[in-house]
Amino acid sequence: SAVISQKPSRDICQRGTSLTIQCQVDSQVTMMFWYRQQPGQSLTLIATANQGSEATYESGFVIDKFPISRPNLTFSTLTVSNMSPEDSSIYLCSVGSEPQYYEQYFGPGTRLTVT
Amino acid sequence: DQQVKQNSPSLSVQEGRISILNCDYTNSMFDYFLWYKKYPAEGPTFLISISSIKDKNEDGRFTVFLNKSAKHLSLHIVPSQPGDSAVYFCAAKVTGANSKLTFGKGITLSVRP
Repeated sequence: SAVISQKPSRDICQRGTSLTIQCQVDSQVTMMFWYRQQPGQSLTLIATANQGSEATYESGFVIDKFPISRPNLTFSTLTVSNMSPEDSSIYLCSVGSEPQYYEQYFGPGTRLTVT
Repeated sequence: DQQVKQNSPSLSVQEGRISILNCDYTNSMFDYFLWYKKYPAEGPTFLISISSIKDKNEDGRFTVFLNKSAKHLSLHIVPSQPGDSAVYFCAAKVTGANSKLTFGKGITLSVRP
């Protein structure tokens, strides 16, 4: 399985500001995913990011709020824009097991607190 | 609408005994199911999976059972060890789609020494 790292591991931010989360994979992967886990809730998919194309967002998530970049096959960023306390969550990136993508492997997550 | 449900938020078992974690789903299109384990301050770790063409998959101490007619799966851990104490997430997907996983809310397992 791929080794995935995320930066930062945690942050405390003020409302109205933005935070960019980085996800680095130790091997080239086609599909990367960004999830959110709100307190006491399940993991919810925000968007799927394929290299060389626009990210595909799930219902309830929009590009203006969660812009994603995927400049190459080992790296992606998720920005949480104009933050409010409701954005306080753990944000996780994951990659699919290639070539069939049956499993996904997750990074350690970024714990975000918005005050 | 919660398509994957883990109705018991927590489970406590004695070391050496069996842990049974349950999961129900509502979407009959799901055909691949996974269990993840999550420790605090870490990302979820893939544990075991099962395809809908099977009703059982075993890997060491971990066995997953699938009952398609009941839309129910369970994870059995035998024997349970204190290091198994973690949050366990059930997830499901439709193969051939964009690999989207739908997760349950998780079960906190505590294994008492």
